[in-house]
Amino acid sequence: SSDLTQPPSVSVSPGQTARITCSGDALPTQFVHWYQQKAGQAPVVMISKDTERPSGIPERFSGSTSGTTVTLTISGVQAEDEADYFCQSMDTSGNYVVFGGGTKLTVL
Amino acid sequence: QITLKESGPTLVKPTQTLTLTCTFSGFSLHTRGVGVGWIRQPPGKALEWLSLIYWDDGKHYSPSLKSRLTITKDTSRRQVVLTMTKMDALDTGTYYCAHHRRAGYSHEFAFWGRGALVTVSS
Repeated sequence: SSDLTQPPSVSVSPGQTARITCSGDALPTQFVHWYQQKAGQAPVVMISKDTERPSGIPERFSGSTSGTTVTLTISGVQAEDEADYFCQSMDTSGNYVVFGGGTKLTVL
Repeated sequence: QITLKESGPTLVKPTQTLTLTCTFSGFSLHTRGVGVGWIRQPPGKALEWLSLIYWDDGKHYSPSLKSRLTITKDTSRRQVVLTMTKMDALDTGTYYCAHHRRAGYSHEFAFWGRGALVTVSS
């Protein structure tokens, strides 16, 4: 299967923890990367290879994995974290790139 | 510093062919594991991968759009060109090119261009 499933929306209050999931059959064998996209801007990598945080990304962003589900966790959410978040991986063959449908994070 | 920039027409008519150019700097398409990909995003919708070309000229296309897409590279000019035939209103959106890095089971778009908005309308 090539589909990655994300919840369409997640809402949290400032200071709370947001968790965004990404599910797919290939995820036990393919790494997932998480991108943040703010309105009118290009996506930015927030988590690489399931759990790695690139240089310059705040420590409140973390990633975890369990079987066919990968989770992006934002601890102590701030207003500036309001954005769309997309997961990306490869299909089971490893030849085709797949993106999740995106999750809109709203900071209440 | 890695940068990418998309260029091409902002308006195309239905049935026409779209040609987009990605001009990059800060990396080489001679480097093993490196590629350039194209991703698009209809207004208000999700990212959709289109195509990918690697340092070794390996090419991959979205299965749903494969018949309409062609990707090529000009390493000396630091450019990657994507053509999409038979454009339709549903192809309206922002088209991004991005640096792609392949390492084992990791396929990451680490750097993105700012995107080019393409509108399909008569």
